[in-house]
Amino acid sequence: KNEVEQSPQNLTAQEGEFITINCSYSVGISALHWLQQHPGGGIVSLFMLSSGKKKHGRLIATINIQEKHSSLHITASHPRDSAVYICAAPTGNQFYFGTGTSLTVIP
Amino acid sequence: EPEVTQTPSHQVTQMGQEVILRCVPISNHLYFYWYRQILGQKVEFLVSFYNNEISEKSEIFDDQFSVERPDGSNFTLKIRSTKLEDSAMYFCASSEGQGESNTGELFFGEGSRLTVL
Repeated sequence: KNEVEQSPQNLTAQEGEFITINCSYSVGISALHWLQQHPGGGIVSLFMLSSGKKKHGRLIATINIQEKHSSLHITASHPRDSAVYICAAPTGNQFYFGTGTSLTVIP
Repeated sequence: EPEVTQTPSHQVTQMGQEVILRCVPISNHLYFYWYRQILGQKVEFLVSFYNNEISEKSEIFDDQFSVERPDGSNFTLKIRSTKLEDSAMYFCASSEGQGESNTGELFFGEGSRLTVL
């Protein structure tokens, strides 16, 4: 049983395309995290959100707590956006991670 | 910009040996975590630590594992007797947190790659 499900698992896009990655979770949470894992393995936090929408540059994250669903959007995608995007749902002090979405943006 | 640092970046050990992975969290953070990622698999939660004690641990975190904050700055993960299946990237993270329910942004270290032969 996966507490956090992401889709798609793999995504290839042309530079400039609008990208959406989805995350559904079954656990009760107060906030959801979107993380980016670089090809070298390092992990960076992109967003932590508990309601509505957050925007940072070309990245937008939305969450619907009632539907237990979150989306990460990338506008005007660029090859440097190529990475694995992971959603993580904390419950208590434990985190459940999605399997990640591997994004490749082709020039 | 403050960052979480981890050492070593890569350790190779023989099965059955003890391994200590070290992390220096961001200084004003209160919550500390260890995660692992087996090659090609998803990130898995191991343990969270708050107020000098374990606050949550996963099924993976069995008696072979222990964590410690020996001196107020370092946060260590010890694997007492390594197994082949312990080979993974181990990530430390910290967050400011808010009281009992942590909703703080996570800051990750670069990871320590453990290879058990």
